[in-house]
Amino acid sequence: QVQLQESGPGLLKPSATLSLTCNVSTVSMTGNYWSWIRQPAGKGLEWLGRIFPTGTTDYNPSLKSRVTMSIAIYKHQFSLTLKSVTAADTAVYFCARASPGKIGYYFDSWGRGTLVTVSS
Amino acid sequence: DIQMTQSPSSLSASVGDRVTITCRASQTIGTSLSWYQQKLEKAPKVLISAASNLHNGVPSRFSGSGSGTYFTLTISSLQPEDFATYSCLQTYTAPWTFGQGTKVE
Repeated sequence: QVQLQESGPGLLKPSATLSLTCNVSTVSMTGNYWSWIRQPAGKGLEWLGRIFPTGTTDYNPSLKSRVTMSIAIYKHQFSLTLKSVTAADTAVYFCARASPGKIGYYFDSWGRGTLVTVSS
Repeated sequence: DIQMTQSPSSLSASVGDRVTITCRASQTIGTSLSWYQQKLEKAPKVLISAASNLHNGVPSRFSGSGSGTYFTLTISSLQPEDFATYSCLQTYTAPWTFGQGTKVE
């Protein structure tokens, strides 16, 4: 059973850069996509993007050029960087593993989530 | 981007009720759809993948169906532990998109 754990600052000031890391307890990170998802209080889930072990990425266009993801498979980690944060970026941030199903991918493992608050 | 529209946004039900939640995609996604259960903004848990495949360990009262643009999640007999928020997710093409969620209360 793979386990994921997010880490990073809980409080940021507006215009700062958010950096989160997800530690993955698995022998291999290959064959899966690794994603970040967030959820503002009382709202739905928002997919932020995904990274493949080769480093290939796809991001949510709503974040425009503010988001970057990276992966270090030898360290069993992947990371999220979000620049120029505002109060609208306040949310619980989850990291998750997307595994291939019969058709398409699905999130079969999630971190517990980490609350990020943007406030001056 | 593919938009996922869930309905209803919330519903009131009782133990033993049959509950159906729908998810519509703005364009065809085949069966690249999964369903998740979430309680109190803790990490979601997958229930269904590929529109109709029950995930390991998920009770058989949960079922999914549909293809193309119309999908349903059905709970055949609602149990106390099923009061939660349910969300669909399309992974047909990036950006992957979630429905807005349905709260069962």
